[in-house]
Amino acid sequence: AQKITQTQPGMFVQEKEAVTLDCTYDTSDPSYGLFWYKQPSSGEMIFLIYQGSYDQQNATEGRYSLNFQKARKSANLVISASQLGDSAMYFCAMSREGYQKVTFGTGTKLQVIP
Amino acid sequence: GAVVSQHPSRVICKSGTSVKIECRSLDFQATTMFWYRQFPKQSLMLMATSNEGSKATYEQGVEKDKFLINHASLTLSTLTVTSAHPEDSSFYICSARTGTFATNEKLFFGSGTQLSVL
Repeated sequence: AQKITQTQPGMFVQEKEAVTLDCTYDTSDPSYGLFWYKQPSSGEMIFLIYQGSYDQQNATEGRYSLNFQKARKSANLVISASQLGDSAMYFCAMSREGYQKVTFGTGTKLQVIP
Repeated sequence: GAVVSQHPSRVICKSGTSVKIECRSLDFQATTMFWYRQFPKQSLMLMATSNEGSKATYEQGVEKDKFLINHASLTLSTLTVTSAHPEDSSFYICSARTGTFATNEKLFFGSGTQLSVL
């Protein structure tokens, strides 16, 4: 079974600063994918970034980067130069290769302070 | 990027009535769509996997007779909450996958439906 753990229920960051949202996972599968999603107060889930377990390099998408440490089973999201619009819930998720299901963590609420 | 449209965004209904929620993939064909339920301040819980042209696969504990899923075409999946009760009040959100697992896999979501049963 897969398990995603997000230990930070809430985080604050000053505008223009960088912030790291933690995510650890547990799986016995050799191949899997890791995702991060943003959910603003309006409710929609916005895809941010994806990391495959066999990817050699950490994924980056604009201001988002994924700090993937396979041996530690961690997939932390780093947001650089935080903006007020980054205030939202952030969910880490994973999927097993060849399977359709995506398992989500409990989320971290990020608040960006002006 | 890929767009998934979900309708309605908000619905209020009386107890005992049925509510239909639509999920459409607007610019890609989705052979598989997923339905999630989210309680306030909680994570997304997968309810069922909807496969085009076949029966949906429900997660353990989800009543298939209460939550009817139909995936009649490659771009449309519907979730019908039958005989809704107040405990069915929740945020329901659909999603569809694009690409293959090995190639920058993405899972796109609809905007969600807030169901309130009175």
